[in-house]
Amino acid sequence: GDSVTQMEGPVTLSEEAFLTINCTYTATGYPSLFWYVQYPGEGLQLLLKATKADDKGSNKGFEATYRKETTSFHLEKGSVQVSDSAVYFCALKLAGGYQKVTFGIGTKLQVIP
Amino acid sequence: NAGVTQTPKFQVLKTGQSMTLQCAQDMNHEYMSWYRQDPGMGLRLIHYSVGAGITDQGEVPNGYNVSRSTTEDFPLRLLSAAPSQTSVYFCASSYSPGTPSQETQYFGPGTRLLVL
Repeated sequence: GDSVTQMEGPVTLSEEAFLTINCTYTATGYPSLFWYVQYPGEGLQLLLKATKADDKGSNKGFEATYRKETTSFHLEKGSVQVSDSAVYFCALKLAGGYQKVTFGIGTKLQVIP
Repeated sequence: NAGVTQTPKFQVLKTGQSMTLQCAQDMNHEYMSWYRQDPGMGLRLIHYSVGAGITDQGEVPNGYNVSRSTTEDFPLRLLSAAPSQTSVYFCASSYSPGTPSQETQYFGPGTRLLVL
């Protein structure tokens, strides 16, 4: 079946450090890929997405590129802030009708001043 | 728009009790889903609906019922609560196919449930 693999963390970084959170996937079809973010005490919200190979999603300084050859969608940010502390979920969804969204386990990011 | 709303925010139940988690959206989305979030397991789909009157099971449906009598509301019922149902529950909605943002899920703030 479809699956998403990411490390659980926590990932602890100092403010202004470079962030990479790895995400790899397996899918039976050609999925769209997503990063969702969950701030403490809140629901998930979409951070960025990409719908086809080589697409780059970006938002709030975060970027991720859809790499079909390596089945990856790694999240990066050049300079993290304390306010980026949250749990980040990688996810995939196949096209057509109602398709289940498959989530990774989530990676907790802690940014210290 | 309020988006996706959920009530209650927090609930404590005793084993064997029943309750209904409420979910409503005001975005006229056709698709709605219920997930549970557990440490180390990410989000798992419980039930989903593709429109009023249509529901189906997800990955972990046992012990839960749903109904969709209106586009706006999608309540989740726990029939006889068990400690294994202690979790955080999220409701989500999304557009139907053919719309530009069809693939984005909009989540409610969650209900934290503790079953003793």
